[in-house]
Amino acid sequence: SQELEQSPQSLIVQEGKNLTINCTSSKTLYGLYWYKQKYGEGLIFLMMLQKGGEEKSHEKITAKLDEKKQQSSLHITASQPSHAGIYLCGADMESGGSNYKLTFGKGTLLTVNP
Amino acid sequence: NAGVTQTPKFQVLKTGQSMTLQCAQDMNHEYMSWYRQDPGMGLRLIHYSVGAGITDQGEVPNGYNVSRSTTEDFPLRLLSAAPSQTSVYFCASGRFDDEQFFGPGTRLTVL
Repeated sequence: SQELEQSPQSLIVQEGKNLTINCTSSKTLYGLYWYKQKYGEGLIFLMMLQKGGEEKSHEKITAKLDEKKQQSSLHITASQPSHAGIYLCGADMESGGSNYKLTFGKGTLLTVNP
Repeated sequence: NAGVTQTPKFQVLKTGQSMTLQCAQDMNHEYMSWYRQDPGMGLRLIHYSVGAGITDQGEVPNGYNVSRSTTEDFPLRLLSAAPSQTSVYFCASGRFDDEQFFGPGTRLTVL
């Protein structure tokens, strides 16, 4: 089974709506990284979470790390067409820090309709 | 800073051919990694390096070699290309406990 599960696999929302993407690990999380990818392009770093209960925000995107559930959520408020793309979570699953060998989820494809 | 650069951007190979995918970073990062991205599979780690002269295998290393003779460069060699190696390849670099910077990718097709 997949060590890092992302849900949903795809999401279509109307512009202005809020949405949440989840990333659940089967192992202890020592770091969780969120990236965005436009089709055919590289990965753009969004946020890094390292401590249980940590929450970070940038513009309209908020990410949280739930240590007990081994889960992270990415919430977008008042979505815009510019938010469309593939969202990927990457996890550091080794104590002591091993962010050079992240385990990734399969991604969530977000479509925002004007 | 140019960040993480990858060459070539696109490549078509015939089965059995060998080639090297180049990756360079100008941020003096100690960590560098290679991933491949396939539809429905997400990104999977091929090889990684925690410093010059130090490399190790990731999840899917078979058919690939790496070396790290300098801090800046981390080339990925395909020894004898196979259709199963058709993929998009990403190189990443970073520091301990910090974000990993990804390159733009190399799209490889093996016929």
